[in-house]
Amino acid sequence: EAEVAQSPRYKITEKSQAVAFWCDPISGHATLYWYRQILGQGPELLVQFQDESVVDDSQLPKDRFSAERLKGVDSTLKIQPAELGDSAMYLCASSLVASLHEQYFGPGTRLTVT
Amino acid sequence: DAKTTQPTSMDCAEGRAANLPCNHSTISGNEYVYWYRQIHSQGPQYIIHGLKNNETNEMASLIITEDRKSSTLILPHATLRDTAVYYCIVYPKAYVFYTGANSKLTFGKGITLSVRP
Repeated sequence: EAEVAQSPRYKITEKSQAVAFWCDPISGHATLYWYRQILGQGPELLVQFQDESVVDDSQLPKDRFSAERLKGVDSTLKIQPAELGDSAMYLCASSLVASLHEQYFGPGTRLTVT
Repeated sequence: DAKTTQPTSMDCAEGRAANLPCNHSTISGNEYVYWYRQIHSQGPQYIIHGLKNNETNEMASLIITEDRKSSTLILPHATLRDTAVYYCIVYPKAYVFYTGANSKLTFGKGITLSVRP
């Protein structure tokens, strides 16, 4: 069964350092989402791509976060510089263009900023 | 503002039915009810959705009240692997085939289901 791949699974970094997360969606899924999940809370959308274009980044802290999906396939989310409050789970999800009944989530990257 | 309210937690015995309630008293006629779950250390997983009729699939059943102000997710024979956080989400029907801004899923805190042996 096809799955959304994410790496790394765990990342520990010091504040003020740069960190990057990678996501490979299910083949053929044109829509890709990055969510952030703070412990005890539900996931919150950071950015949404349709193919290589950003369609929603209203909740992305653009002073330190950036996201790209250059060829409309895999995607990278970057934080520079990382802050203590960025410690969270970063989840990637994808869905078919034609239906949003199911978003398929990857296993996530657990980020700890020290 | 929260569009759904769920209890914080509940438990049930393995093998018994788990009935997870959700209130969505402000739901509009063009909004679906979706359920996702998140097993510890994994990403959320789609379970089921419905508009106004009861729905059943291989994972669960969804019962929506006639006034659509509440719903219940039923896991007919809960197993230990069903221990997870379950999210009830309302989603505009118009966005189902729309991938522009505002088509995101909005998760609340969900309900933690603990299945005991």
